[in-house]
Amino acid sequence: DAGITQSPRHKVTETGTPVTLRCHQTENHRYMYWYRQDPGHGLRLIHYSYGVKDTDKGEVSDGYSVSRSKTEDFLLTLESATSSQTSVYFCATGSRLGQGNEKLFFGSGTQLSVL
Amino acid sequence: GIQVEQSPPDLILQEGANSTLRCNFSDSVNNLQWFHQNPWGQLINLFYIPSGTKQNGRLSATTVATERYSLLYISSSQTTDSGVYFCAVARNRDDKIIFGKGTRLHILP
Repeated sequence: DAGITQSPRHKVTETGTPVTLRCHQTENHRYMYWYRQDPGHGLRLIHYSYGVKDTDKGEVSDGYSVSRSKTEDFLLTLESATSSQTSVYFCATGSRLGQGNEKLFFGSGTQLSVL
Repeated sequence: GIQVEQSPPDLILQEGANSTLRCNFSDSVNNLQWFHQNPWGQLINLFYIPSGTKQNGRLSATTVATERYSLLYISSSQTTDSGVYFCAVARNRDDKIIFGKGTRLHILP
């Protein structure tokens, strides 16, 4: 499996504070993703990156920003956290396959609670 | 955007039973994957299967791309198979990968 490390693993913060979650990979995968998981919604895509400095929005991008300054790191920032952003956040990387599609591998997740 | 529907939403089976999980999608896809999330939250990639059939031990998957569905078969279920199974798709190369809401499987000892 891909070496994907998410930090922190758990975080409790207050409404209105900025929060940054980090995803670090050691596999040199081109594609990286941030998903959030909530009961009844499955996994929803927040943002994704198809290369250094190349990012795009997903299904639920409002209130989130991302940055990717090098291949191995993908940062997710909540500029001003709200209680609706309490969730489990998963980072994934995409390993390129022969037809150009990618197979996803996931990190262990970050449990974020916004009080 | 593309819609992904999984059925059934919940499934409770006795150990040793067989099960079939279904994933329907609303548009043609170039990428389809199945994942298992165990009770500790870890997500494991089971299959990359945009078309055809694959098998891995007691698990197998079939995707009929022309009819826009995929099936995941679990034979001789074990309690370790419990968890949530997700289907994820993308329409094209470089397109974003979208997940269904999952099927929660509970295998009773």
